Amino acid sequence: EAGVVQSPRYKIIEKKQPVAFWCNPISGHNTLYWYLQNLGQGPELLIRYENEEAVDDSQLPKDRFSAERLKGVDSTLKIQPAELGDSAVYLCASSKTGASTDTQYFGPGTRLTVL
Amino acid sequence: QQQVKQSPQSLIVQKGGISIINCAYENTAFDYFPWYQQFPGKGPALLIAIRPDVSEKKEGRFTISFNKSAKQFSLHIMDSQPGDSATYFCAATVNNNDMRFGAGTRLTVKP
Repeated sequence: EAGVVQSPRYKIIEKKQPVAFWCNPISGHNTLYWYLQNLGQGPELLIRYENEEAVDDSQLPKDRFSAERLKGVDSTLKIQPAELGDSAVYLCASSKTGASTDTQYFGPGTRLTVL
Repeated sequence: QQQVKQSPQSLIVQKGGISIINCAYENTAFDYFPWYQQFPGKGPALLIAIRPDVSEKKEGRFTISFNKSAKQFSLHIMDSQPGDSATYFCAATVNNNDMRFGAGTRLTVKP
């Protein structure tokens, strides 16, 4: 079974430029998560989807960040415009359901560097 | 947002030794406590998890000890191996898999 797929793996951009990250979750997983992981820190949730509905986006900086999960499968996270402080690893995860005991499976992440 | 406090930040253990990582939480609504292992360039992967009604769970060389009254839990890695060298995160979940991670412990097992 294929795991969570993310692309690109690495992205370097100039500040104020837009950037987008793509995630394909494990087949059959209804719940999808985007996390931000700063260097030397644990992941922090940005947004959680149940199918195509964003059920928790309280930690998403909505002035510059946006996300979508069309058709309840793939998802895209966008930053526009990017700032220096956005340099981090952006992780996507999925689980079968949104239950607390359901394992979250993580992708390898996209490492973003903003110059 | 860090609702789970993890220590130590880094840990060096000799091969064959015991690695111990500790975590503490405040929110009594947390209802599941997983540990994740992360290798460089990879996403975190579930290692072992425990429910709060259980005091200990063992899977192979990995054991979670859970103290509900103290709101603390720990990971013990027995017979630590160089291949265990990674960053370990404790976590706690609440409200439909809202997972909060600790800051991580970088474990180095020396041969």
